[in-house]
Amino acid sequence: EPEVTQTPSHQVTQMGQEVILRCVPISNHLYFYWYRQILGQKVEFLVSFYNNEISEKSEIFDDQFSVERPDGSNFTLKIRSTKLEDSAMYFCASSEMTGYTEAFFGQGTRLTVV
Amino acid sequence: KNEVEQSPQNLTAQEGEFITINCSYSVGISALHWLQQHPGGGIVSLFMLSSGKKKHGRLIATINIQEKHSSLHITASHPRDSAVYICAPTTGNQFYFGTGTSLTVIP
Repeated sequence: EPEVTQTPSHQVTQMGQEVILRCVPISNHLYFYWYRQILGQKVEFLVSFYNNEISEKSEIFDDQFSVERPDGSNFTLKIRSTKLEDSAMYFCASSEMTGYTEAFFGQGTRLTVV
Repeated sequence: KNEVEQSPQNLTAQEGEFITINCSYSVGISALHWLQQHPGGGIVSLFMLSSGKKKHGRLIATINIQEKHSSLHITASHPRDSAVYICAPTTGNQFYFGTGTSLTVIP
């Protein structure tokens, strides 16, 4: 069964460093999403991406964040100058189309900023 | 602001019980997902529905778009159903997430 894969599963980084979280969406999917979940809190939407551009982003997704689909298979989330409060589980998801089709989630990357 | 309200927040049931989790939302949506999150953190999509009712095994999901309400039912609950269940309505470009319902099924 096709699945969304995320790497790494756990990343520890020093405050102020840049991190790149990687996702490989399901191959025929066109819509991609990043979410995060701070420990003990609900899942929060960060950004959606379609046709090589951002479709929608939340107020959390500020200039510190960027997304890219560098090679047609990977979908990356870059966090510049990480802060302690960026520590969270980051989930990638993809869907074939928008709205009316099911989204498939990766297993998440746990980011710990120290 | 809470676009999505789930109830109950926590639920403990005896194995075999029928379980209902409710979700009300305030945003205009194109569809709604019910997600399951296990203690390890991974998220699995259980249902995506935009109208009516869907059934997968012991799970049933219903939605009333006019009333902006959805329910997830689990028949003959089992300890392996213990997880957090999250309602996530979507406009297509964005998902809104409920805080989740933590379900524990006791043998």
